[in-house]
Amino acid sequence: QKEVEQNSGPLSVPEGAIASLNCTYSDRGSQSFFWYRQYSGKSPELIMSIYSNGDKEDGRFTAQLNKASQYVSLLIRDSQPSDSATYLCAVNISPGGGADGLTFGKGTHLIIQP
Amino acid sequence: GAVVSQHPSRVICKSGTSVKIECRSLDFQATTMFWYRQFPKQSLMLMATSNEGSKATYEQGVEKDKFLINHASLTLSTLTVTSAHPEDSSFYICSATSTGELFFGEGSRLTVL
Repeated sequence: QKEVEQNSGPLSVPEGAIASLNCTYSDRGSQSFFWYRQYSGKSPELIMSIYSNGDKEDGRFTAQLNKASQYVSLLIRDSQPSDSATYLCAVNISPGGGADGLTFGKGTHLIIQP
Repeated sequence: GAVVSQHPSRVICKSGTSVKIECRSLDFQATTMFWYRQFPKQSLMLMATSNEGSKATYEQGVEKDKFLINHASLTLSTLTVTSAHPEDSSFYICSATSTGELFFGEGSRLTVL
């Protein structure tokens, strides 16, 4: 059974600091990895996708993937109160990054303290 | 990104009634649409996958006769919760894809009294 594990939090980070969110997955054959942000009562929105080992940067966000350790993380630099949300890690075994078979973690609740 | 619209955003109904939720891809043709359910403080759980013009594929444990899915066109899928009961109260979210990237609708919060 495919599993995606995240610490549920809450993770509290002071404004302006770096927030580090972690995710581990069980299926070694996983090929594509996604981070979604979900505000309370809203549906998820895609923040980052990553497919190969290493770092991928987009603005204040950096996704890091280590397939050997089955570990993916999301760093948020210069954290803002508006970054306060639940962050969902999602993993897919599809090599083309397709949405079929996407497995979500339970999410980490992030709180940015002003 | 592409836009997926879901309606209604909130619905309250009496136990035993049926509720229909619509999911539309507004600016792209969705080859596949997915329906998820999310209980409080829980992750998204995939209920079913639907492709236009064919029967939906339901996940294990999801009753296909209770959760009717119709994918009539490349831009519209509907989920009907039949004979709803309080335990069906949840946040239902649709998503659509055409290029592999997943776009979510706004979600529909169902409360069954």
